[in-house]
Amino acid sequence: QQPVQSPQAVILREGEDAVINCSSSKALYSVHWYRQKHGEAPVFLMILLKGGEQKGHEKISASFNEKKQQSSLYLTASQLSYSGTYFCGTRVSSGSARQLTFGSGTQLTVLP
Amino acid sequence: SAVISQKPSRDICQRGTSLTIQCQVDSQVTMMFWYRQQPGQSLTLIATANQGSEATYESGFVIDKFPISRPNLTFSTLTVSNMSPEDSSIYLCSVAYGNTGELFFGEGSRLTVL
Repeated sequence: QQPVQSPQAVILREGEDAVINCSSSKALYSVHWYRQKHGEAPVFLMILLKGGEQKGHEKISASFNEKKQQSSLYLTASQLSYSGTYFCGTRVSSGSARQLTFGSGTQLTVLP
Repeated sequence: SAVISQKPSRDICQRGTSLTIQCQVDSQVTMMFWYRQQPGQSLTLIATANQGSEATYESGFVIDKFPISRPNLTFSTLTVSNMSPEDSSIYLCSVAYGNTGELFFGEGSRLTVL
């Protein structure tokens, strides 16, 4: 079942912060985050494994609450380059990668 | 990471024809995946291409419509058969790396069916 992402879209000014949420109705083993710019392929940002860990990547970080079956992506001090569509991908077991299911995406627009 | 090349990058096809998309990876990988991304939509897994065996298809996708070849560990093809306008999409090849299976994608093949 497809994870639910919120919000569907967000518009920011440079320097503002944003949070993108991803929730699942199933227990999760891991959560992936990807960013796709218009006309380009999705690019892997980070992966979070069960255990409630939080990861960071420059000014982009994420958390994973396995009890709530939720993950959040945090973008701080947004830059123009952060614009794109963000997808979470969830996996319910440690099995093969084909089990990755993507959310519907969150379109992020950063304005100057 | 991997360098994944897809051909063609885009094409315009007539209804009822078939198109084969090629995917070349710069290193050997066990699992290759084919995704479809309809306009403004998420990524939907079509099938997993296994070297030396038949592809594994997801619900809603069948071999007759989307035959896949995987002749070696660096190459795969996806054919979209008997196309209709509903097949207009971006088709993406992907590979998984590492123990945690993060995905790397080719740049996609944008298919328009008239």
